[in-house]
Amino acid sequence: DQQVKQNSPSLSVQEGRISILNCDYTNSMFDYFLWYKKYPAEGPTFLISISSIKDKNEDGRFTVFLNKSAKHLSLHIVPSQPGDSAVYFCAAPEGGSQGNLIFGKGTKLSVKP
Amino acid sequence: ETGVTQSPTHLIKTRGQQVTLRCSSQSGHNTVSWYQQALGQGPQFIFQYYREEENGRGNFPPRFSGLQFPNYSSELNVNALELDDSALYLCASSWGLTGYNEQFFGPGTRLTVL
Repeated sequence: DQQVKQNSPSLSVQEGRISILNCDYTNSMFDYFLWYKKYPAEGPTFLISISSIKDKNEDGRFTVFLNKSAKHLSLHIVPSQPGDSAVYFCAAPEGGSQGNLIFGKGTKLSVKP
Repeated sequence: ETGVTQSPTHLIKTRGQQVTLRCSSQSGHNTVSWYQQALGQGPQFIFQYYREEENGRGNFPPRFSGLQFPNYSSELNVNALELDDSALYLCASSWGLTGYNEQFFGPGTRLTVL
């Protein structure tokens, strides 16, 4: 049973436009969420996070929105650049003394020049 | 500051064999987590080591085992390899136990089991 779901395997956008990547979760105990970006032949790298006490966190071109009632978060990239083309993973810590992250399946973003 | 490194980059084994994957943590990190990423899936937690002790394990059988050394580097051992073990194995290091601390990932080891 997937606790973190990314239902769109891929997304294609034009350079300069907005990219919106979506993530849903089922575990209401999750209180912190992270987005990781992964290029081919590299490990995932941390992009941005949000605590459940907030509904928005912004870092440059990247903004994450959290809707706790809908158990939904989204990552907005504005403006999108070709270098943003990568696989994006949504993740949440399992919580408590467990140090692991629970990942979604990822969304492959392609930004076309 | 050196990042997380993993060796080897690629590996091909046959069913039933044993494999050892290695990971060097980022400087100053005392925690290592291992993840398996199958094709088309997100990384799935295998186990975590903190100060040389296992701290948490995901839904993986005992033939997946690990070690963490005093310098905080780590090994993942898989015995009796099965075809479904073919995947990218990612190591992540962090400071401290919880998942709230940023985890820094290595580039992974691509294991193919024939």
